[in-house]
Amino acid sequence: GAVVSQHPSRVICKSGTSVKIECRSLDFQATTMFWYRQFPKQSLMLMATSNEGSKATYEQGVEKDKFLINHASLTLSTLTVTSAHPEDSSFYICSARRTSGRVDEQYFGPGTRLTVT
Amino acid sequence: LAKTTQPISMDSYEGQEVNITCSHNNIATNDYITWYQQFPSQGPRFIIQGYKTKVTNEVASLFIPADRKSSTLSLPRVSLSDTAVYYCLVGNQNRDDKIIFGKGTRLHILP
Repeated sequence: GAVVSQHPSRVICKSGTSVKIECRSLDFQATTMFWYRQFPKQSLMLMATSNEGSKATYEQGVEKDKFLINHASLTLSTLTVTSAHPEDSSFYICSARRTSGRVDEQYFGPGTRLTVT
Repeated sequence: LAKTTQPISMDSYEGQEVNITCSHNNIATNDYITWYQQFPSQGPRFIIQGYKTKVTNEVASLFIPADRKSSTLSLPRVSLSDTAVYYCLVGNQNRDDKIIFGKGTRLHILP
């Protein structure tokens, strides 16, 4: 199947700093990528939809000025957590949509563990 | 997007067949049913997708009754490594639907 990578796999940062997470589709082009957040023992929560060449669409309750998303190419989307606080500590997962036949397929990255101290 | 309902958790033993049922009463005509598996600290992994009747691949089978208001993921002869959370999702990605995850089923395989 298609491969989606994330970098870094885990990151620790100090409160108040910004952290950038990259999501890449390695063997296909993705006009649409998604960013999720997952807290321990909970399900994935969709944060935003990232569209290549246009502004991201954020879900209700997600601060767009805090979680900056850039989808500058067909294989790369980035999520920047600005002015991170301990409550932003979570597991961040991206996915990329690949158009294939009748139904689009969605592939998930391995996730990025963010710890804010 | 159609809302889905799954059991919160299930236990089974190695070598058994495990069936996880998902209810999706409001499924739309163009919606597909997709199941994902997630291990701790990993991204979800696609298991199987179907529209109606039965779909089988190398890891699982998916049974969908005629009214499509539910579906059952069947895992044959599970092993300890099948311990994971399983998510049932319903949607039509051709309509640019976004994937919204429900709570999933936490499957625990016992030796």
